[in-house]
Amino acid sequence: AQTVTQSQPEMSVQEAETVTLSCTYDTSENNYYLFWYKQPPSRQMILVIRQEAYKQQNATENRFSVNFQKAAKSFSLKISDSQLGDTAMYFCAFMNPPFVAGSYQLTFGKGTKLSVIP
Amino acid sequence: ETGVTQTPRHLVMGMTNKKSLKCEQHLGHNAMYWYKQSAKKPLELMFVYSLEERVENNSVPSRFSPECPNSSHLFLHLHTLQPEDSALYLCASSQATGSINYEQYFGPGTRLTVT
Repeated sequence: AQTVTQSQPEMSVQEAETVTLSCTYDTSENNYYLFWYKQPPSRQMILVIRQEAYKQQNATENRFSVNFQKAAKSFSLKISDSQLGDTAMYFCAFMNPPFVAGSYQLTFGKGTKLSVIP
Repeated sequence: ETGVTQTPRHLVMGMTNKKSLKCEQHLGHNAMYWYKQSAKKPLELMFVYSLEERVENNSVPSRFSPECPNSSHLFLHLHTLQPEDSALYLCASSQATGSINYEQYFGPGTRLTVT
């Protein structure tokens, strides 16, 4: 079974600074999908960024980028120019490729609580 | 907003009550999910429906009963719950597996308290 580990329960960053959230995972699959989701306080969980394992290029979405190290099974999220609205729980998640047993299942880490300090 | 709505947003129920949670998606998706989010634990997948058929049931107690009458609606029927079932219940939707657009979109959740 796949597992996802987020080793940083809480982090803080000054506004406008850069922060990196860590995520490692364990799988025997060669192709799969990785995601970072953001859950602001009392608000809906939203997708921040996704990465397909077959792509060597790291995904970027505006101020959000990932460092995907397939051999190390590491998938960290970098937030540049942090804003107060980035304060949230951040979840790393793993999904098997289509047609593999359990391919619907998103396996989540326990999350990292990020606080952006003015 | 993500296009996935859930009602009620908060629910308090006794252990002998019967209640239902409702989820509706407005995204044209054909797969829907129920997750349980408890404090200090990872989100746990409970049920998956694809094309209105249940495709996953992750060892969930029978006191939780899902229903998917069509691709836009998903229910979770609750009866004789235990206090440890208190949690945030999240609904999500996506295109069915095999689609290139496979991201799951989440609703705001129902905060359930069992007394």
